[in-house]
Amino acid sequence: DAKTTQPTSMDCAEGRAANLPCNHSTISGNEYVYWYRQIHSQGPQYIIHGLKNNETNEMASLIITEDRKSSTLILPHATLRDTAVYYCIVRDRGTSGSRLTFGEGTQLTVNP
Amino acid sequence: GAVVSQHPSWVICKSGTSVKIECRSLDFQATTMFWYRQFPKQSLMLMATSNEGSKATYEQGVEKDKFLINHASLTLSTLTVTSAHPEDSSFYICSVIRNSQETQYFGPGTRLLVL
Repeated sequence: DAKTTQPTSMDCAEGRAANLPCNHSTISGNEYVYWYRQIHSQGPQYIIHGLKNNETNEMASLIITEDRKSSTLILPHATLRDTAVYYCIVRDRGTSGSRLTFGEGTQLTVNP
Repeated sequence: GAVVSQHPSWVICKSGTSVKIECRSLDFQATTMFWYRQFPKQSLMLMATSNEGSKATYEQGVEKDKFLINHASLTLSTLTVTSAHPEDSSFYICSVIRNSQETQYFGPGTRLLVL
């Protein structure tokens, strides 16, 4: 699976949008971009995933560039409970590629 | 998302004893379950991949005789840490997947402390 690069940490004011970038310049055509987050001392929580098109759900929006080499996770109105480590993972959904490889992620701190 | 449970949520044991951790997929039958380990201030590391009815596939550097995995049904996998030592103290997390095309969902984790 392709490697991803994320900033180590980011801060965001409560109520504002949090935009978390991820670079995946070696992504291949079969690979999806997944986002998970991990709140302290809990298991990772699935947020969203996408292949080429932008995606939105009740938690967040995922913007993928046209060349698919980078993406941005957007939390439209960050709350204190969104403070967590956010992981961007590229994954091949083929039969041999269901595993996830976690990098270091981005520690997002939402400040009051 | 899917609901995954782990039991126990935390356990303290003496060095040399064995500890069993259960992972249950509550929303669907999971063809594959994964076991991860996470040390403090580090990311998750995949330990093994478990398919129902077959032997688990272990990642490089993970001792299969020390970390016994049993995937007896499509909703239950167990991880047994045998002859635990203090260096095995960690946060153990399982995840489940209905099939390779779908999203992987994680359990809440089990914190193990070996004294």
